[in-house]
Amino acid sequence: DTAVSQTPKYLVTQMGNDKSIKCEQNLGHDTMYWYKQDSKKFLKIMFSYNNKELIINETVPNRFSPKSPDKAHLNLHINSLELGDSAVYFCAIGAANSPLHFGNGTRLTVT
Amino acid sequence: GENVEQHPSTLSVQEGDSAVIKCTYSDSASNYFPWYKQELGKRPQLIIDIRSNVGEKKDQRIAVTLNKTAKHFSLHITETQPEDSAVYFCAASKGWNDMRFGAGTRLTVKP
Repeated sequence: DTAVSQTPKYLVTQMGNDKSIKCEQNLGHDTMYWYKQDSKKFLKIMFSYNNKELIINETVPNRFSPKSPDKAHLNLHINSLELGDSAVYFCAIGAANSPLHFGNGTRLTVT
Repeated sequence: GENVEQHPSTLSVQEGDSAVIKCTYSDSASNYFPWYKQELGKRPQLIIDIRSNVGEKKDQRIAVTLNKTAKHFSLHITETQPEDSAVYFCAASKGWNDMRFGAGTRLTVKP
């Protein structure tokens, strides 16, 4: 069983479109994150949720809206996609003072 | 929020040599410091971690040291092998919801 399942693996779309990325975990941990990894490999935190509650929102444009319908799921919806949104997006799951478990990532390409 | 700085950004060593990567953090409340290895096209994976009540930890060829007073921690890899080539990330966390990463070090081990 995969602990953190992220879909889709690849996403190619045109500017202006709306897309969603889904994340599901079976670890039972309370904290879920979205990170963005750009072409320079920097892992930038976007959002964190604890038990379905938004805790961190790191100056991410309003076009990005995370949603956590339950403790096992954290989805990322992106409106009006821009070229600069092209990156790899990682979902990660964690608990206090414990390592994060990453999903396999979604490579988003905006053309 | 926490700010983690990592050096060097690139590191090239000969097989069998040692490699050292250094990180500093800004928030004295941070108490958990993991290190991740990311191979090309894959997700980051934990290789070792250290908590603030410990000064040093070793796992085979990998060791991590923590200096809380100076707010810096380091990763040491001895007897490097070509398969150690990857991007390495340090991170710092002070609780449930906030893990911040350094900018990454691209390690190349030449055979």
